[in-house]
Amino acid sequence: GAVVSQHPSWVICKSGTSVKIECRSLDFQATTMFWYRQFPKQSLMLMATSNEGSKATYEQGVEKDKFLINHASLTLSTLTVTSAHPEDSSFYICSARDEREGTYEQYFGPGTRLTVT
Amino acid sequence: GQNIDQPTEMTATEGAIVQINCTYQTSGFNGLFWYQQHAGEAPTFLSYNVLDGLEEKGRFSSFLSRSKGYSYLLLKELQMKDSASYLCAVIDSNYQLIWGAGTKLIIKP
Repeated sequence: GAVVSQHPSWVICKSGTSVKIECRSLDFQATTMFWYRQFPKQSLMLMATSNEGSKATYEQGVEKDKFLINHASLTLSTLTVTSAHPEDSSFYICSARDEREGTYEQYFGPGTRLTVT
Repeated sequence: GQNIDQPTEMTATEGAIVQINCTYQTSGFNGLFWYQQHAGEAPTFLSYNVLDGLEEKGRFSSFLSRSKGYSYLLLKELQMKDSASYLCAVIDSNYQLIWGAGTKLIIKP
């Protein structure tokens, strides 16, 4: 199956700083990648859909100026949490859509646990 | 609106069988996924159904009825490691993945 990597696996940062998370599809090209956030004991929440070469589509309630998404190549999307605050502490998961087989299955990265102090 | 319903939590006994149901109402249908998610980890793919019927894969099987907007995931010979959340997700007509809230499965010895 397809492999998606995510870096870093975990990060601790101070309030007010910015954090960048990378999502890479290792063995396939992904026109579309997705960024999710998951708080403890809650379900996945889609934050935005990242399209290669164009602006990301954000879900309602997600601040696009706070969560900057860049999908500069077919294998890399980045999420930057700007001016992070403790309430941004969460598990951030990316996925990449593999369209080769026509199933549009999403392959998930291992996630990034962000703690803002 | 689009809606996917699945039970919040289920409990089963090690070695037994459990069926997790999922009903959906979406704008179009291009397939249904089941994912498994252990606590603190990202979801992993279990199955994909796009045609009616039962797909069997080892201890796990997934069933789909498009006319009823219904799917179930069947887990046999339950093991303690099967304790996890099971997520149902549907691809709509825009090829967007619509997620259910997940079913937390608790396995007891």
